[in-house]
Amino acid sequence: DIQMTQSPSSLSASVGDRVTITCRASQSISTSLNWYQQKPGKAPKLLIYAASSLQSGVPSRFSGSGSGTDFTLTISSLQPEDFATYSCQQSYSTPRTFGQGTCLEIK
Amino acid sequence: QVQLQESGPGLVKPSETLSLTCSVSGGSISSYYWSWIRQPPGKGLEWIGHIYYSGSTIYNPSLKSRVTISVDTSKKQFSLKLSSVTAADTAVYYCARVILFIMIESHDAFDIWGQGTRVTVSS
Repeated sequence: DIQMTQSPSSLSASVGDRVTITCRASQSISTSLNWYQQKPGKAPKLLIYAASSLQSGVPSRFSGSGSGTDFTLTISSLQPEDFATYSCQQSYSTPRTFGQGTCLEIK
Repeated sequence: QVQLQESGPGLVKPSETLSLTCSVSGGSISSYYWSWIRQPPGKGLEWIGHIYYSGSTIYNPSLKSRVTISVDTSKKQFSLKLSSVTAADTAVYYCARVILFIMIESHDAFDIWGQGTRVTVSS
């Protein structure tokens, strides 16, 4: 199985901050990497697919980059509704695997 | 707009079989893969398996011996059965649609999710 490791596990930031979350795969996955946002008690929401493509309807302050084993999710200017948990997921091979999540909290 | 809704018992006894159904509304069940994903309390997401509308399946090897996913296109539903459950199977279970993006390489992602259903394994 491909292991997905996110850092940090939690992060405190303020509205307006620029935030970057990192995801590392245990082997190369090309650009087969997706990012999800999950709020408490809710289902995950797809933000980014194929490492850098913005899902329809997702604000442009969200962006993704990377290939191979190292990927980043960046939020350019945090909004109040962005405080949530973010998870990466590889779609390169079966079984599909997720990172453990990064909890983004209000400072 | 496609919506998914999970249904099934919220409490299952140890050693019994967990059974959940996902109903698809607002769109077609055809031409897509459909998936089950779970999230134990306080933990990350775990993919359980996919089913294509035609009935072909792919399972997580860690659960393969206990999992069966099936589809009923006439009812626009797909189902999960997980046998011999233990407390470790306590989780929120989500159904999700798998969307395929055709680019230079093909990519897939879980683009539509049900609200999730909490299943507790306890006697």
